[in-house]
Amino acid sequence: AQTVTQSQPEMSVQEAETVTLSCTYDTSESNYYLFWYKQPPSRQMILVIRQEAYKQQNATENRFSVNFQKAAKSFSLKISDSQLGDTAMYFCAFMQGAQKLVFGQGTRLTINP
Amino acid sequence: DAGVIQSPRHEVTEMGQEVTLRCKPISGHNSLFWYRQTMMRGLELLIYFNNNVPIDDSGMPEDRFSAKMPNASFSTLKIQPSEPRDSAVYFCASQGRDTGELFFGEGSRLTVL
Repeated sequence: AQTVTQSQPEMSVQEAETVTLSCTYDTSESNYYLFWYKQPPSRQMILVIRQEAYKQQNATENRFSVNFQKAAKSFSLKISDSQLGDTAMYFCAFMQGAQKLVFGQGTRLTINP
Repeated sequence: DAGVIQSPRHEVTEMGQEVTLRCKPISGHNSLFWYRQTMMRGLELLIYFNNNVPIDDSGMPEDRFSAKMPNASFSTLKIQPSEPRDSAVYFCASQGRDTGELFFGEGSRLTVL
């Protein structure tokens, strides 16, 4: 069974700093998708960024980028120029075969003014 | 597009009562997922449907839980009888055909006293 591990339960940085959230996963498959979701206090689950395993290029969405290391089964999220609105729980997730999504335990990120 | 719509947003009930949670997926999506979120266990997949057919219900905790999808635009998750340990936020999500991304509803917060 696939597992997703987020080793940082909580992180805290100052506004405008860069922060990196870690995620590792375990799978024997070669084709899959990886996601980062954000859950602010409103509890809405919001997609931040998506990566297809067959693509070597790291995905980027504005201030959000990933470092995808397929051999190491690592998928970290970098948030540049962090903003107060980035305060949220962040979940790393794995999907194989465009089916069910398996989530990590989450990292609670706080951006301080 | 209205997104995934869940009801109720909040429900407080007494142990032993029947609870029904409802979900309307995004039009055109052919997969629907029910997740449960608790502090202790994080986000757990309960069941998912593909073209209205249940594909994997291995995450359903026990026989007290049941889910149906009578048509492409409606699903229910029922708990009968409810117990205090069922208290959680229940999310419904539907999946787009092209990207595999899951779109989540705002969740239903259930409290069983």
